[in-house]
Amino acid sequence: GIQVEQSPPDLILQEGANSTLRCNFSDSVNNLQWFHQNPWGQLINLFYIPSGTKQNGRLSATTVATERYSLLYISSSQTTDSGVYFCAVEPRGGSYIPTFGRGTSLIVHP
Amino acid sequence: GAGVSQTPSNKVTEKGKYVELRCDPISGHTALYWYRQSLGQGPEFLIYFQGTGAADDSGLPNDRFFAVRPEGSVSTLKIQRTERGDSAVYLCASSLRGQGMTEAFFGQGTRLTVV
Repeated sequence: GIQVEQSPPDLILQEGANSTLRCNFSDSVNNLQWFHQNPWGQLINLFYIPSGTKQNGRLSATTVATERYSLLYISSSQTTDSGVYFCAVEPRGGSYIPTFGRGTSLIVHP
Repeated sequence: GAGVSQTPSNKVTEKGKYVELRCDPISGHTALYWYRQSLGQGPEFLIYFQGTGAADDSGLPNDRFFAVRPEGSVSTLKIQRTERGDSAVYLCASSLRGQGMTEAFFGQGTRLTVV
């Protein structure tokens, strides 16, 4: 099956710093989503981005499907950004099943 | 409902017992997924329903696990003869798969602890 690799696995920032999280995938995809898992375990949808660039406030994401990667940018980080960020891809070819990476654990210190 | 709802939020059971976990998807969503998440890991796929039928159950770890969705809405994940290794957070997601939109939305999960 498709392989999804996220980097870095862990990230520690000072409040106000910027960061870039990366998601690489091994095969063509129909869809890609970024999620933030908060300390209570809830997966919160950030972006649904099979290709192109989207922005939502301090967050933005870019997917380059032809090169099989996606980037999540966090600017002016806040303590509430802490948690685990997951990338999930839906492989092309009809499996219709979002496959997750292992996530990037982010801690933002005040 | 407004979002995906899972009950119970927490379940503690003794080894060997039977448990049922319930998922109520977003109204109108035809696709429903069950995942399992262990500490420090990403969610792992268990089973996918399109309507009432299990379109893909390749992620179920063994025959102690079973899931149903009899009316194409609410789904129940059933675990027989629970083992301590079944302890994890069980997540449910739904989407409008089959209607051109595949963004998945997750419930808050059920934390299962087998003692």
